[in-house]
Amino acid sequence: DAEITQSPRHKITETGRQVTLACHQTWNHNNMFWYRQDLGHGLRLIHYSYGVQDTNKGEVSDGYSVSRSNTEDLPLTLESAASSQTSVYFCASSESLAGGKETQYFGPGTRLLVL
Amino acid sequence: GEDVEQSLFLSVREGDSSVINCTYTDSSSTYLYWYKQEPGAGLQLLTYIFSNMDMKQDQRLTVLLNKKDKHLSLRIADTQTGDSAIYFCAENFSGGYNKLIFGAGTRLAVHP
Repeated sequence: DAEITQSPRHKITETGRQVTLACHQTWNHNNMFWYRQDLGHGLRLIHYSYGVQDTNKGEVSDGYSVSRSNTEDLPLTLESAASSQTSVYFCASSESLAGGKETQYFGPGTRLLVL
Repeated sequence: GEDVEQSLFLSVREGDSSVINCTYTDSSSTYLYWYKQEPGAGLQLLTYIFSNMDMKQDQRLTVLLNKKDKHLSLRIADTQTGDSAIYFCAENFSGGYNKLIFGAGTRLAVHP
């Protein structure tokens, strides 16, 4: 069955370190998204991609970067981790459907703690 | 800017109906969604409604859309303990193809 996976599921790191969170989907979806989930804020979009070599900034992109070298993967990198980046990170993917009818499929999340 | 708002918490008795409300700002949204998040898991799509509809029913779920007031609601009939979760309302943002804007989520607690 097609799926979307994230790794690691839990990560503890120190401030200033570079961290990369992996996201892999087997649906062959063009669209991929990274969100962070914090209490009281719901899900906020960090970066997104509409296809290979395409990346776009979301509403909270500062301190994060992504790259899309193939259809299946969209790794999220924290260049220099900060305590404010302690959060739960979700990756999602969707088909490119005209008219806005889309279902985003979510991964199980990565819980990141920055000390 | 675009914004989606929900109340943060709802408590209901098992067997009663639950109504979760949401307001949104982007009047050009073509689809609106309800997602469910169980503890420790990602979000799963529950249901969605096209903006030219005012109601959609799917088994125990009823979605009502008031486009004039930009108000969306999710009614769960005969609420069960397994319905305890966080429910997110989302709209597709017309300014960005395939982008969803999520509310903060409503935590539904079902008690005996």
